[in-house]
Amino acid sequence: GNSVTQMEGPVTLSEEAFLTINCTYTATGYPSLFWYVQYPGEGLQLLLKATKADDKGSNKGFEATYRKETTSFHLEKGSVQVSDSAVYFCALSEDNYGQNFVFGPGTRLSVLP
Amino acid sequence: SQTIHQWPATLVQPVGSPLSLECTVEGTSNPNLYWYRQAAGRGLQLLFYSVGIGQISSEVPQNLSASRPQDRQFILSSKKLLLSDSGFYLCAWSMGTEAFFGQGTRLTVV
Repeated sequence: GNSVTQMEGPVTLSEEAFLTINCTYTATGYPSLFWYVQYPGEGLQLLLKATKADDKGSNKGFEATYRKETTSFHLEKGSVQVSDSAVYFCALSEDNYGQNFVFGPGTRLSVLP
Repeated sequence: SQTIHQWPATLVQPVGSPLSLECTVEGTSNPNLYWYRQAAGRGLQLLFYSVGIGQISSEVPQNLSASRPQDRQFILSSKKLLLSDSGFYLCAWSMGTEAFFGQGTRLTVV
């Protein structure tokens, strides 16, 4: 079956540090890939996505590139802020029927001033 | 535009009491609907999904049930809550390529 693996953290960084959260996936087809962010006490929000190989998703300074050869979708940000403290989920969706969303376990990021 | 409403935001219930959480979606028709649970410090666990009225698929055996009485309404229920049912419950909808989440319900069973 499909699966998503990501570093579970917690990850603690100082403000303006570089962020990488690794995500790898297993899928039988050609999935779309997503990063969702969950701020404390809230639901999940879509951060960025990529729907085919070599696509780069970007939003709010975050980027992730769909790497089919390494089945990866690592999240990066060049300079984190305290407001980026949240839990980040990598996810995939393999088909257009929608019932096949698979989420990673989430990575908690804490950014210290 | 599409919006998703989930309520209540927080709930404290005694063990053995019933549960009903409701989720409604506006601005779209025939969405796929999902219930997820997030236990403290853990990832998301898919509980139920629905591709249409009256069509419910369960991902894990449990003390909970789901119903979809209308196209854009998804209800999560239990007849008797257990302590282990405590967690953060999230409703979501999709039309295929991405999922949109409600604000969640924090359930504490005491």
